[in-house]
Amino acid sequence: AQKITQTQPGMFVQEKEAVTLDCTYDTSDQSYGLFWYKQPSSGEMIFLIYQGSYDEQNATEGRYSLNFQKARKSANLVISASQLGDSAMYFCAMRERAFFSGGYNKLIFGAGTRLAVHP
Amino acid sequence: DGGITQSPKYLFRKEGQNVTLSCEQNLNHDAMYWYRQDPGQGLRLIYYSQIVNDFQKGDIAEGYSVSREKKESFPLTVTSAQKNPTAFYLCASSIEYESSYNEQFFGPGTRLTVL
Repeated sequence: AQKITQTQPGMFVQEKEAVTLDCTYDTSDQSYGLFWYKQPSSGEMIFLIYQGSYDEQNATEGRYSLNFQKARKSANLVISASQLGDSAMYFCAMRERAFFSGGYNKLIFGAGTRLAVHP
Repeated sequence: DGGITQSPKYLFRKEGQNVTLSCEQNLNHDAMYWYRQDPGQGLRLIYYSQIVNDFQKGDIAEGYSVSREKKESFPLTVTSAQKNPTAFYLCASSIEYESSYNEQFFGPGTRLTVL
C-alpha cells in the first residue's frame, strides 16, 4: 500500500500568491513524523518543515506552514507569498516506527510535486 | 561549515564494473542513509546505518553494498549485480535513530550513468 500520496504532479502559481501542495499518508502507528523537503534543480534535498503526530498546532517556518489534519491523514504544505526561487520539486515524507527494531529507520517519500512560480 | 559531502558529482561506469560513491559528514551524526532517486520519482532507501560497524538493508539493497568503519563515512558500492544502476544517489545523516522528529540532512548527490 502506498504510504505517501502526492496527487499533484505539477503546480503553477503567480509570484507573491500562496500555494498549497497536497500530501496524504497512510499509517497505523500513533507516533510518526511528517516532513516536507524541497529539491531544486541542483538535486540537493532541503528540509523545510516538520510536524509530529502528537503536535496539536500546525507547524510553521517562515513562509512555510503545514496544514495538518490528522483524522483525514493529510499534511499539506502551504507556501505564502511565492517567490521565483520557490520553483522546485517538493516532497512529502513520513517517518514511522520500524516494526522489528522499534526505531525510526527511514523516510518514506511521495512522488513529489513540481512547483513553477511565474513572474 | 558542517555538512555532508558526496563525491564525485557525476560518475560514468561501464557495464560490469563496480563503483564506489563517497559520503562524508562532519555533523557528528550517528545515523547515515543512502537513497536512490529515479527520474520523476521520490527517494527509495538502499541502506542505513545507526552506528559505526552496523548497517541494515533498506527497500532496494540488492546489487549494493556499504561499510561503516568510521562515524563520518558511509561509502556505497554499486556492484555489477545491480541491473539498472543509472540514477541519482543521495546520502543523508541524522543525529540519531530513535526519534521521529530528527530531520535528515542530505548531501548534494551523485549522478551515476552506466554507459
